[in-house]
Amino acid sequence: LAKTTQPISMDSYEGQEVNITCSHNNIATNDYITWYQQFPSQGPRFIIQGYKTKVTNEVASLFIPADRKSSTLSLPRVSLSDTAVYYCLVGDGNDMRFGAGTRLTVKP
Amino acid sequence: DAGITQSPRHKVTETGTPVTLRCHQTENHRYMYWYRQDPGHGLRLIHYSYGVKDTDKGEVSDGYSVSRSKTEDFLLTLESATSSQTSVYFCAISESVGGQFNSPLHFGNGTRLTVT
Repeated sequence: LAKTTQPISMDSYEGQEVNITCSHNNIATNDYITWYQQFPSQGPRFIIQGYKTKVTNEVASLFIPADRKSSTLSLPRVSLSDTAVYYCLVGDGNDMRFGAGTRLTVKP
Repeated sequence: DAGITQSPRHKVTETGTPVTLRCHQTENHRYMYWYRQDPGHGLRLIHYSYGVKDTDKGEVSDGYSVSRSKTEDFLLTLESATSSQTSVYFCAISESVGGQFNSPLHFGNGTRLTVT
């Protein structure tokens, strides 16, 4: 199983773009990269998923370089409500394992 | 939000007693999962199911058993609860896994279990 490494915490200010990078050096050919967001007292919520290059949806973008050994979640113009823990998962199948996540704090 | 209901939401029990947590889904998804979340450990997979009566162990399955007699229900049982099983338990569902059909996990809101 591919192990992921993320920064433990990050601080930002409202209106800024935030980039959270996840390292996954032993990613397998069939593995997808998925990001989740978790607020206190709630279950994680899916943000975005990708396999290679760039994926964009209404809330975030995911950048994946050609070697796929890392990925970057980009949150444009964050607000206070984006304060949460963000998890990067790498895998293909049922045994999806969460790392410790990145605690993002957005300040006014 | 995906139709996932976990019950109970909170439970306090004594060491040595059996406990069953229930996860109910209305999405008709094939795959269901039980995770536990503890400070310093993030979310860890306990067991998962890939169909009715089809289950498999996850990363931290010792002390837990599961059953899935219907598509919509996935039960997690602690046969004899211990204090180390005090945790927040999350159920998740997924429509498909693998390759280009890999679909994300959708989580319930959790059950907070305290074993005294």
